[in-house]
Amino acid sequence: GESVGLHLPTLSVQEGDNSIINCAYSNSASDYFIWYKQESGKGPQFIIDIRSNMDKRQGQRVTVLLNKTVKHLSLQIAATQPGDSAVYFCAENFYGQNFVFGPGTRLSVLP
Amino acid sequence: GAGVSQSPRYKVAKRGQDVALRCDPISGHVSLFWYQQALGQGPEFLTYFQNEAQLDKSGLPSDRFFAERPEGSVSTLKIQRTQQEDSAVYLCASSLGLQGFASVDEQYFGPGTRLTVT
Repeated sequence: GESVGLHLPTLSVQEGDNSIINCAYSNSASDYFIWYKQESGKGPQFIIDIRSNMDKRQGQRVTVLLNKTVKHLSLQIAATQPGDSAVYFCAENFYGQNFVFGPGTRLSVLP
Repeated sequence: GAGVSQSPRYKVAKRGQDVALRCDPISGHVSLFWYQQALGQGPEFLTYFQNEAQLDKSGLPSDRFFAERPEGSVSTLKIQRTQQEDSAVYLCASSLGLQGFASVDEQYFGPGTRLTVT
């Protein structure tokens, strides 16, 4: 399949370990954030979202943390699996305007 | 269909040629979005439709780019006189569009069309 990006920052983790992917967003007024996962040859897939009135939200094996003070978003993946290998993007939204995507991080899960 | 589909998946065009990229959204989805994704970068917004109305085209990089959705379902992104800088993956996404604002609904993405201009 097509490679989304060849020169992205890469995070390599051992299978079974926890992963933390970070994102700095640009607009201090952004009020809605999404993490997407993009596998090679596919479009982005929704993972988890969070609104600006929250600082933490948990899903199945994933947790998103929001620090508005420093405009920072993180995605934590518990017990990382080979199927988690992909490029991860954060996207921010301000009051229903269109989403602005971050540059992405490639997660590589080592056996 | 089960998801958003796009065709063709790959397109090679000589510089100066016109291309047309097709998007079939999820049935019943009101909102449709086009994004451009350059290699190694995140998707960048191009344009947005609500039904057949193009409500935002602020992301289209030049007047060579044109999008339409004449019957409120299938959409076509047309690029005239392609240039090398147009080489990218073009993603289409659709959403239910129930909330009144363009982007608050979850967007479902298609696999994209990779355009290479030689």
